[in-house]
Amino acid sequence: DAGVTQSPTHLIKTRGQHVTLRCSPISGHKSVSWYQQVLGQGPQFIFQYYEKEERGRGNFPDRFSARQFPNYSSELNVNALLLGDSALYLCASNLAGGQTDTQYFGPGTRLTVL
Amino acid sequence: GDSVTQMEGPVTLSEEAFLTINCTYTATGYPSLFWYVQYPGEGLQLLLKATKADDKGSNKGFEATYRKETTSFHLEKGSVQVSDSAVYFCALPYQAGTALIFGKGTTLSVSS
Repeated sequence: DAGVTQSPTHLIKTRGQHVTLRCSPISGHKSVSWYQQVLGQGPQFIFQYYEKEERGRGNFPDRFSARQFPNYSSELNVNALLLGDSALYLCASNLAGGQTDTQYFGPGTRLTVL
Repeated sequence: GDSVTQMEGPVTLSEEAFLTINCTYTATGYPSLFWYVQYPGEGLQLLLKATKADDKGSNKGFEATYRKETTSFHLEKGSVQVSDSAVYFCALPYQAGTALIFGKGTTLSVSS
């Protein structure tokens, strides 16, 4: 079975631009989460979606938004990019988002903002 | 609030050495605890987990025991290999289990 897939793999943008990152969960998983991993740090939680509804939100500005589609895939949008948004963006899926559910991570999208 | 503290790295070991990476946590109640591993250029993979106090998680020769008395979940391996070189993250759920809090990660480098 395919794991979590993310696209694109790498992306280079300039300050002020907008970016959309995409994620497809493992088949059968209804929950998708997004994390930002700055170099040398652990991942920081951005959003979780379950059945197309936002269930959790981390401490990120409103420039960050996301949505989940009927097929459970998800998009993360970042507006007005800043240099500090340069990071690895990780998507994770799990069955239902419960505490004991294992989250399965994709390989990430490396975003560089110049 | 909830938090995870990991020992600072990097940890440099010779092949077949014993490994310990310390992890302590602060949380309400007794959450599940996880260790994730990130190999160079890749995303995170679950290494092991424990869902209740005194549970021992194990995988690929790695072990960690959920100790509620010391709020710890230290990762151990009796004999490391070069292929174990990676970054290791301790994590616990928060926001009613919708998210994971990760430690800062500990880089392990094993030489032959």
